[in-house]
Amino acid sequence: QSVLTQPPSVSGAPGQRVTISCTGSSSNIGAGYDVHWYQQLPGTAPKLLIYGNSNRPSGVPDRFSGSKSGTSASLAITGLQAEDEADYYCQSYDSSLSGPGVFGTGTKVTVL
Amino acid sequence: EVQLVESGGGLVQPGGSLRLSCAASGFTFSSYAMHWVRQAPGKGLEYVSAISSNGGSTYYANSVKGRFTISRDNSKNTLYLQMGSLRAEDMAVYYCARWNYGDFLPGYFDYWGQGTLVTVSS
Repeated sequence: QSVLTQPPSVSGAPGQRVTISCTGSSSNIGAGYDVHWYQQLPGTAPKLLIYGNSNRPSGVPDRFSGSKSGTSASLAITGLQAEDEADYYCQSYDSSLSGPGVFGTGTKVTVL
Repeated sequence: EVQLVESGGGLVQPGGSLRLSCAASGFTFSSYAMHWVRQAPGKGLEYVSAISSNGGSTYYANSVKGRFTISRDNSKNTLYLQMGSLRAEDMAVYYCARWNYGDFLPGYFDYWGQGTLVTVSS
């Protein structure tokens, strides 16, 4: 049972904007810990998409953006493209747990 | 170019053992903490184990504590995961991933390997 909750699925037509929420609590996102996002294309390994709440690694299109507010974070994809169909995971740190971090439950993005 | 290449996966019977390896290249391996993350078929990502850059600190998820051992050889740029007393629920793709710090400060995975499949079945 993850402490970071994401919607199981979101969908949108090509060109549309979709957002994925990552809801935490006062021991993780709400405590000020950064949120990071990973994209996992079908049959491949996860790839870092957003780090430090809103920073994109080199090579990640600016269609992807991240934000954080209170105990939640969001990933937005604008101008949705077919190749964006993938699973997306948020990740942060939780001070109530012993591990180095926690993953969100994951969200499947479907391009209609 | 940073590369992480896992190997050692395969079919093992319940109760058996397996050792995974992750060969790293393209960066100073001894400067980074390394992790194993797994993904059961159709499921999400799960932390398995982590080791600090000098090997002095380790972390294990409760689900594998006492059965798995993480280690690294900085002279060979290689990360290992010795898995024992394997169970059906350990069946997953195992990824090695580089942490962006040398220790367990809150951070993120900046590079991932392609994964190796571990199948536990009789």
